[in-house]
Amino acid sequence: EVQLLESGGGLVQVGGSLRLSCVVSGSTFSRYAMNWVRQAPGKGLEWVSIIDSVGNIVYYADSVRGRFTIARDNSKSTVFLQMHGLRADDTALYYCAKGDSSGPEGALDIWGHGTMVTVSS
Amino acid sequence: SFVLTQPPSVSVAPGQTAMIPCVGDKVGGKSVHWYQQKPGQAPILVIYYDNDRPSGIPERFSASNSENTATLTISSVEAGDEADYYCQAGVFGGGTKLTVL
Repeated sequence: EVQLLESGGGLVQVGGSLRLSCVVSGSTFSRYAMNWVRQAPGKGLEWVSIIDSVGNIVYYADSVRGRFTIARDNSKSTVFLQMHGLRADDTALYYCAKGDSSGPEGALDIWGHGTMVTVSS
Repeated sequence: SFVLTQPPSVSVAPGQTAMIPCVGDKVGGKSVHWYQQKPGQAPILVIYYDNDRPSGIPERFSASNSENTATLTISSVEAGDEADYYCQAGVFGGGTKLTVL
C-alpha cells in the first residue's frame, strides 16, 4: 500500500520560512511526479507545484512562484517544499500528492493527510 | 491563466443521477481528472484521463469531456456520495458540493 506522510507544518510569522517534507512508502518513488496541493480553511483545492520523476521539470502556481521551491531526493523517497516570504494567504492545509506518471500531466492518484501551515501577523 | 469553473452546489435525490459540469476554455483538448473529498478527509481520485476509473471506484461514476465542458456523472446516487467534487486539468476547479436530499 502506497502511503504519503507530510511533515514540517506549523505556525510562522508573515515573511517567515518553512520547509515541508513528504515521505513516500510502498511505491517506486523515482518513477512518479510529485505534487503539492493546498486548501485554505473552508476553501477549495489549489494546486501549488509539481516536480517530475527525476527533478528536471518543475512548475509553480502564479501565487507562489518566486517564493516556493519544490525539490526531491529519490534516494530518500522524499519530496520537499521550501517556502519563503510567507503571507497570511498562504495559510492552508498542504497536501502531498503522487502523480500517476513520470511527467506533469498525470492525475494525482494518492494523497497524504496534509500538514497545516498557519501564517500569522 | 487557465480557469475551470464549477457550480458551487448540486442537489439530487437518492437513486437519481447527478451531473457536475466543469467549464474551461477548450478543456476538451486536455485530460481532466475528478476528485471526491468528504469532510475532514483528503481528496481521492474518482475519474482520471476524462473517463477512466481507479480500482475500487463504482461504475456509477463516469465522466465526459468535450469542447468547453467536462462533466462528472454519478448515477443511482447514494447518501455516501455526498461530498465536494473537484475537476482538475493542471489547475483545480472551485469545487461543487453534492447534497443528497
